Amino acid sequence: ETGVTQSPTHLIKTRGQQVTLRCSSQSGHNTVSWYQQALGQGPQFIFQYYREEENGRGNFPPRFSGLQFPNYSSELNVNALELDDSALYLCASSFVGGGPHNEQFFGPGTRLTVL
Amino acid sequence: QKEVEQDPGPLSVPEGAIVSLNCTYSNSAFQYFMWYRQYSRKGPELLMYTYSSGNKEDGRFTAQVDKSSKYISLFIRDSQPSDSATYLCAMSAKGSYIPTFGRGTSLIVHP
Repeated sequence: ETGVTQSPTHLIKTRGQQVTLRCSSQSGHNTVSWYQQALGQGPQFIFQYYREEENGRGNFPPRFSGLQFPNYSSELNVNALELDDSALYLCASSFVGGGPHNEQFFGPGTRLTVL
Repeated sequence: QKEVEQDPGPLSVPEGAIVSLNCTYSNSAFQYFMWYRQYSRKGPELLMYTYSSGNKEDGRFTAQVDKSSKYISLFIRDSQPSDSATYLCAMSAKGSYIPTFGRGTSLIVHP
């Protein structure tokens, strides 16, 4: 059983550019969530995908968008990058439907720097 | 006021000490309470979760939830240098699969 993987590990972009981050879910999981973690802060929920549909969204603007594919891998896209988008982006996969609480398994994150 | 408050520290203790980490929250709908450990440059990993009030023990770790005070704690006994990490509390309401995280407490256990 493989864990959650994310790519790339690090990324440097300039303001106004667009970026795509990728996540491969843990085997058997059907849900993926994306979080933004600024330095010294806890993870902030961006959105969640369940069976390829958005299943909840945090307080992030529409320029943050995502996709979940049939194999449950996922992408996070951010358009018109701003300096404040610099953060660690975490992907977490889980299995929803197995009980009242689903444990989320996090990937190592992608560190995005916007200059 | 944030929904979940957590002192960022750092908390520095000698090896072998008992560590107490805490969070307070304001949303009375929270029913599931979790503690994550995050090493530098890594993603968070779930240490423990509890449902509603009470205590839960797992090895050197004990999680406590006091819903009447909206206060949760994580105790680490016989702390080790390998416990040095950031500890994040997280909580969610019943039926919600989306946890709200605290900002994390940085713990340093020195030999």
